[in-house]
This record gives sequence, structure tokens and C-alpha cells, in this order.
Amino acid sequence: QQQVKQSPQSLIVQKGGISIINCAYENTAFDYFPWYQQFPGKGPALLIAIRPDVSEKKEGRFTISFNKSAKQFSLHIMDSQPGDSATYFCAATGDSGYSTLTFGKGTMLLVSP
Amino acid sequence: DAGVIQSPRHEVTEMGQEVTLRCKPISGHDYLFWYRQTMMRGLELLIYFNNNVPIDDSGMPEDRFSAKMPNASFSTLKIQPSEPRDSAVYFCASSSQVIAGGSTDTQYFGPGTRLTVL
Repeated sequence: QQQVKQSPQSLIVQKGGISIINCAYENTAFDYFPWYQQFPGKGPALLIAIRPDVSEKKEGRFTISFNKSAKQFSLHIMDSQPGDSATYFCAATGDSGYSTLTFGKGTMLLVSP
Repeated sequence: DAGVIQSPRHEVTEMGQEVTLRCKPISGHDYLFWYRQTMMRGLELLIYFNNNVPIDDSGMPEDRFSAKMPNASFSTLKIQPSEPRDSAVYFCASSSQVIAGGSTDTQYFGPGTRLTVL
């Protein structure tokens, strides 16, 4: 019930291409869906987040698409750059008082030059 | 702000030894989290504190693991005795009070401590 399932585990995209990472959740109480980006040797850092009252959120080249009925959300990286090579984690949390983040297993993205 | 500070950055120890990891959260943050990251299991929440009080330690794998937060600016995660399967990267993160609506505010992660138990 608390799981967030993330796919793919790894992804190779050519420079300029679109990177797509998908996540699915079970818990309908989840109401906040952030994505974290982690570079090698660093801690994860918040990249972009969405709440279920909107179906899409865009920040620069990064877009979250959210499908509440399917309980799925995805991260799209447009015009992928080698500097985007990192591990990406989706996460979710609920609204019953304070809730901790439930993270997906992560996707290792490599953008080839 | 310097962000979340963790020490040491790397720790190599032998099985059976005590290991202490340290964390200084961002000033003013009242939530502190300890995570463990491995290839197999991803990011696992071990324990979290609110206003220096442990709230949920259900993720602590065994009694060999303990965590303390004696004040708002310092926390430790101790493993005694350590075992090779404890080898992982341990992250500390902090966040400010939950925002209106009850959902988690941004968690700010430290750089992590890479622990190797031989």
C-alpha cells in the first residue's frame, strides 16, 4: 500500500532526446509527488513536485505529468543534456498529519553526447 | 546556509566495530531524517525526529542501530557492532514544519557518509 513503483531502472538517451521516467502508486491518500535528482557522490535534491489538483507541471525542460485515475505520474526531460545524467527518484507522501516520503527505487539516466 | 552537514564522508571499519555517523541539520529545520541507500533496496528511511524527539524508528533494521538527537543542531546514528551488510551510503536530511494541508515540505539531504564494513 505504501509502495511507489518506478521504471525503468536505467535509461540511456541521446543528447537532445526526451527522457521519460514513470512511477505508480497504490495509496490514494498520497497528495504530494516530488521528484529528486541525485548526482554521483551527492545527496538527492528536489527537482520538481506536483499536487494532484493539476495534471501537469512544467519547469524549464522538466515536466511532471500526473494521472490521478490511473495513480501514475511521470517525469519528462525535454532536450536531454549530458549534465542531466543522474539518478532520479520519484516520491509520494500523504496528508494524514505529517507523513514521510515514500521513494521509488530510482532510475539511473545516462545522456550520451 | 551551509546545508545539511554530515561527517565523516567516508568510513571504513572492520566487522564488530562501533560506527558513529554525525549530522548537523539546516538551522531552523525541525524535522531530521536518517536514510540508508543501497543498490538493492534504494533509499530506506531508518528513523526521523521532530523537535529532537524520535517519531518513527520502524525502519531501523536491528537493535544494533540507534539514533539520538540531543539538540536541534546535532544527531548521531550509531551501529554497534557493525556487520558487512551494513555497508551503504547513509544520508541525513532535514525539513521545516509541515506546510498547511499536511504534506511534507522539501527535504534537504546532506552529502552522505559512505560506510564500508570489512
